[in-house]
Amino acid sequence: EADIYQTPRYLVIGTGKKITLECSQTMGHDKMYWYQQDPGMELHLIHYSYGVNSTEKGDLSSESTVSRIRTEHFPLTLESARPSHTSQYLCASRPSGISYEQYFGPGTRLTVT
Amino acid sequence: AQSVTQLDSQVPVFEEAPVELRCNYSSSVSVYLFWYVQYPNQGLQLLLKYLSGSTLVKGINGFEAEFNKSQTSFHLRKPSVHISDTAEYFCAVSDYTGGFKTIFGAGTRLFVKA
Repeated sequence: EADIYQTPRYLVIGTGKKITLECSQTMGHDKMYWYQQDPGMELHLIHYSYGVNSTEKGDLSSESTVSRIRTEHFPLTLESARPSHTSQYLCASRPSGISYEQYFGPGTRLTVT
Repeated sequence: AQSVTQLDSQVPVFEEAPVELRCNYSSSVSVYLFWYVQYPNQGLQLLLKYLSGSTLVKGINGFEAEFNKSQTSFHLRKPSVHISDTAEYFCAVSDYTGGFKTIFGAGTRLFVKA
């Protein structure tokens, strides 16, 4: 069974605050991803990592940053939250090799007021 | 470049009726195809995947999908749906270009009525 965790599950925060969304997985996967999900829209890749000390920006421009100091941990940080950041954020990981499917966390629903 | 089009944003269906959720993709190379399901307030979970071999793929919860290369489609089917199948379904494509990143469709909301 996939074990990938995200905290917090829900967050309401004021404009200008700094926030970090946590994502951890216990499966030893090298590859990890952050997606932004809005109702009726495709999942948009905002960051990804292929291993420790490897991070890349995704296809959707984002003002967030990520780090990958440990294999199991892939936090996402917004230095100054804005209402336009209101969205659902999904973290995922997948193993190397031919299988290619991703395992998703439960998501963090962020509301910036 | 890859793209995925899910042709229906919402599909209402009565319980025990068959259902088909349509997905078309665009890619210039060999692809890997996936269907994921998302229940309310949860992340996505894999229903089934096509990597190679038989074009008919069976997944969990009685779902199956057929890969059609000539029509660049990967439609999802279930012969008899249950209330518990009400969820959002996402089609996704991945190939070896772009580092095997996955492109997701916009989702199809399946609503099963009693």
